[in-house]
Amino acid sequence: GENVEQHPSTLSVQEGDSAVIKCTYSDSASNYFPWYKQELGKGPQLIIDIRSNVGEKKDQRIAVTLNKTAKHFSLHITETQPEDSAVYFCAASNGRYGGSQGNLIFGKGTKLSVKP
Amino acid sequence: DVKVTQSSRYLVKRTGEKVFLECVQDMDHENMFWYRQDPGLGLRLIYFSYDVKMKEKGDIPEGYSVSREKKERFSLILESASTNQTSMYLCASSFLLNYGYTFGSGTRLTVV
Repeated sequence: GENVEQHPSTLSVQEGDSAVIKCTYSDSASNYFPWYKQELGKGPQLIIDIRSNVGEKKDQRIAVTLNKTAKHFSLHITETQPEDSAVYFCAASNGRYGGSQGNLIFGKGTKLSVKP
Repeated sequence: DVKVTQSSRYLVKRTGEKVFLECVQDMDHENMFWYRQDPGLGLRLIYFSYDVKMKEKGDIPEGYSVSREKKERFSLILESASTNQTSMYLCASSFLLNYGYTFGSGTRLTVV
């Protein structure tokens, strides 16, 4: 089955710097890659996603890149702000119904701290 | 916006009690999921459901059961609560499997 590995587990940056979180996946059939942000005491919230027919997607200060050949995808946050401090999760899915194979498989999370 | 509502933010239960965690979504999503979240272990899937009255085991179903009698409601049941079930429980729903899941705010359960 799919396995998603996420690095680093913790990341500390200065306000205004960029932050990059990387994930690798094992199932070449995976075609959907969302990223979630979880603030303290809240549930994870979808912040950006990318599908396998696209190599890069941007939304203001957030971007995601996908390298299908290498089976890795990354989250890039530019001009970080203290409110970006949170735990970020990557995930991958092949979307196939039948057992649990098509469910999202999550990485273990990255705790991002942005220091003012 | 899709809303996933979990009935309780915090719960304290005694060992051996039967515990019900309720989750309701308001966007007619087919798929619903229950996760538990523990430090260092990430999100672990307990049970999921792709349709009314359908349920399947996730990665850690032992000690749990679920019920989905209506499309919008997915309940997690701890048959006999134990201290190792102290955790944050998250419910999620999705339109399709390869669409974003929407999570509830979570229920922090403490079993004493």
